Amino acid sequence: DIQMTQSPSSLSASVGDRVTITCRASQSISSYLNWYQQKPGKAPKVLIYAAASLESGVPSRFSGSGSGTDFTLTISSLQPEDFATYYCQQSYGTPWTFGQGTKVEMK
Amino acid sequence: QVQLVQSGAEVKKPGASVNVSCKASGYTFTNYYMHWVRQAPGQGLQWMGFINPSGPSGGSTSYAQKFQGRVTMTRDTSTSTVYLELSSLRSDDTAVYYCAQEGAYCSGATCVNYFDYWGQGTPVTVSS
Repeated sequence: DIQMTQSPSSLSASVGDRVTITCRASQSISSYLNWYQQKPGKAPKVLIYAAASLESGVPSRFSGSGSGTDFTLTISSLQPEDFATYYCQQSYGTPWTFGQGTKVEMK
Repeated sequence: QVQLVQSGAEVKKPGASVNVSCKASGYTFTNYYMHWVRQAPGQGLQWMGFINPSGPSGGSTSYAQKFQGRVTMTRDTSTSTVYLELSSLRSDDTAVYYCAQEGAYCSGATCVNYFDYWGQGTPVTVSS
């Protein structure tokens, strides 16, 4: 199975901060990498697919980059509605696997 | 608009089976794979498998090895509904179970698949 490792597991930030979350795959997955946002009690929501493509309706402050084994999700200016948990997920091969999540909390 | 509506919360005893449904609307049901993902309390997301609703004889499936022998995914095209059955339940099967429609982004010959739309989740509690 392909292991996905996110860092950090949690972070504290303020509104307006630039936030970066990294995701590393245990083997090369090309650009088969997606990012999701999950708020408490809700289903996840896709933000970025294919490493860098922004889902329709997602604010442009979210961006993704990377290829191979190392990927990054960046929030350019954190907004109050962005406090949530973020997951990366690979679809290069089954089983599809997720990172353990990064919880973004208010400082 | 795409909607995935799941059945309600379940409480089961260890060793029992649970059946969760996911009714789809707003798109052509047989055109998109449907996945199941679960999330234990306070934990991350775990992929369980998928069903291709257009497959013959109930749809073709692929299951995570962890659940092989205990999981069955089926579909009813007449009602645009997919079902997840998990048997021999244990306490560590306590989780919220989500259905998720697969989307695809294609560029040239490469298509990257992802979870595009999600159901609202079905809490399943396994307790004696």
